[in-house]
Amino acid sequence: GQNIDQPTEMTATEGAIVQINCTYQTSGFNGLFWYQQHAGEAPTFLSYNVLDGLEEKGRFSSFLSRSKGYSYLLLKELQMKDSASYLCAVKDSNYQLIWGAGTKLIIKP
Amino acid sequence: ETGVTQTPRHLVMGMTNKKSLKCEQHLGHNAMYWYKQSAKKPLELMFVYSLEERVENNSVPSRFSPECPNSSHLFLHLHTLQPEDSALYLCASSQGEHSGANVLTFGAGSRLTVL
Repeated sequence: GQNIDQPTEMTATEGAIVQINCTYQTSGFNGLFWYQQHAGEAPTFLSYNVLDGLEEKGRFSSFLSRSKGYSYLLLKELQMKDSASYLCAVKDSNYQLIWGAGTKLIIKP
Repeated sequence: ETGVTQTPRHLVMGMTNKKSLKCEQHLGHNAMYWYKQSAKKPLELMFVYSLEERVENNSVPSRFSPECPNSSHLFLHLHTLQPEDSALYLCASSQGEHSGANVLTFGAGSRLTVL
């Protein structure tokens, strides 16, 4: 079966750096997405990786290794507003999105 | 209004009620989706409409009935639901359904509680 694994919950300190990992086993690969979802709000798109390597967007970066079935989302200079759930999703060979259960990130002062 | 709007934001219903969830997108997208989000579980795709035609129905019980009257509006009609159907129902839209990089724009969801 197809599977996306990510930690259920992580805690980090304001101003620090945190890395949220995502591993996947899917039938084929057509890209990996990260979404952010604040409590009670809509998930919003953060990043898309289809080739190996690091994509940087301001304080957020996303990394992909297709050979290892692995991605991470790196958040730098953490702010309290970064407290949210982070959802990893992979498009399989049929372009179906397979979702992880999400990682709840708690930022402490 | 911009983006994807869902109403109502909260709904409490009995098992014998009939209600509907509404979704409207103002982005000019041609694909719309219903997802179910339960605590600590992955998003579950329920229905996909592309160019107003249903292209996917992931073994969803018949007590959930979608309707897409045009490319901007999507409904989810609910009847004789079960308590385990209590969840957050998210609507999303995208430009193109199967292209690799198409990004989903989500609404804030309708929180459903079935008593």
